[in-house]
Amino acid sequence: KQEVTQIPAALSVPEGENLVLNCSFTDSAIYNLQWFRQDPGKGLTSLLLIQSSQREQTSGRLNASLDKSSGRSTLYIAASQPGDSATYLCAVKIDSSYKLIFGSGTRLLVRP
Amino acid sequence: NAGVTQTPKFQVLKTGQSMTLQCAQDMNHEYMSWYRQDPGMGLRLIHYSVGAGITDQGEVPNGYNVSRSTTEDFPLRLLSAAPSQTSVYFCASSYKGQGGSYEQYFGPGTRLTVT
Repeated sequence: KQEVTQIPAALSVPEGENLVLNCSFTDSAIYNLQWFRQDPGKGLTSLLLIQSSQREQTSGRLNASLDKSSGRSTLYIAASQPGDSATYLCAVKIDSSYKLIFGSGTRLLVRP
Repeated sequence: NAGVTQTPKFQVLKTGQSMTLQCAQDMNHEYMSWYRQDPGMGLRLIHYSVGAGITDQGEVPNGYNVSRSTTEDFPLRLLSAAPSQTSVYFCASSYKGQGGSYEQYFGPGTRLTVT
């Protein structure tokens, strides 16, 4: 059974710092991996989607990498800002359906 | 486009009551799903639909019913509410994008409390 883990559960950094969020999964047979952002009391916003054949995806200050063989993905945030404060979730698509398996998220606080 | 909309935003029920959580999308997406989010447990799939008239169970379907009579709407029914169903419920829709990506779009959520 596929399990998705995100460590740490919470992270606090000063503004301007570059940071890395981690996501690991137990079964390397995935179709894709998606990173989401969730603001308090809000829904999920898709940030980046990496297909199983890809190694990384970039959007602005965000870069997500995927290493299927080791069962890992990282989300790199450059020059963090207080507006980046949110919970970040990763999710893997495990088969030809569109079902996702979610991690429990990393709650990020960027201090001014 | 309004995207994915959910009503109500908040709801308090008493044990044993029934209700329907509404979800609608205006993006003509084939796929729709319901998740629940509980503290420290991420999101878990309740039910999903791959098109009008087709639904299937997810990871935690007990106590919930769904139907999909149109492409746009995917309501979630709680048959007899229990305190264990206190949670935040998210509806999502998806399409088969480039390379079969199935990128998902989420609604704002319904926060349900069962007393």
